[in-house]
Amino acid sequence: EIVLTQSPGTLSLSPGERATLSCRASQSVSSGYLAWYQQRPGQAPRLLIYGASSRATGIPDRFSGSGSGTDFTLTISSLEPEDFAVYYCQQYASSPQTFGQGTKVEVK
Amino acid sequence: EVQLVESGGGLVQPGGSLRLSCAASGFTFSSSWMTWVRQAPGKGPEWVANINQDGSEKNYVDSVRGRFTLSRDNAKNSLYLQMNSLRVEDTAVYYCARGQKFWGQGTLVTVSS
Repeated sequence: EIVLTQSPGTLSLSPGERATLSCRASQSVSSGYLAWYQQRPGQAPRLLIYGASSRATGIPDRFSGSGSGTDFTLTISSLEPEDFAVYYCQQYASSPQTFGQGTKVEVK
Repeated sequence: EVQLVESGGGLVQPGGSLRLSCAASGFTFSSSWMTWVRQAPGKGPEWVANINQDGSEKNYVDSVRGRFTLSRDNAKNSLYLQMNSLRVEDTAVYYCARGQKFWGQGTLVTVSS
């Protein structure tokens, strides 16, 4: 099983600032099958990034994903008020698919 | 428009059973792998199981293998999760999903005495 470790646990930033979230895998995620999700309270997770770096339909270009192998990054270039939420990474390269424990982006 | 609508959640005692259903529309269900993901209160999502297009291949997370059974009815565009021997730690919102992009709104399963 691939274990995903996200850091930091909480990120305290102000609107307009840049957010950098990390996801590290216990073994290589083949073919870059790594996704990032945003989750707001009471809602289902929303896909932001798939294939490590491809934005899902309708996702603003302030969201970008990068990385390969075992190290992946989600960057939000300039935080908007609606971006304060919890973010999860997920690998879907091998079964069981696994999620990271999440990074909460909160208002400073 | 892709729609996934889960149903069948509720309160059940430890050791009990529940059957969740997911009604799919807006895409070719019979051509799609389908997945169940759950999320315990205050926790991150956990992948539970998936099934291939004709139901011949199923994968389960270790914690539910032998207790949960995934099935589908392509004629009815429906996905099912039979959950037996339920434990308190199975308490969660259960989501039906197609790929990474499309998720239902979830159905709450509470296992408690």
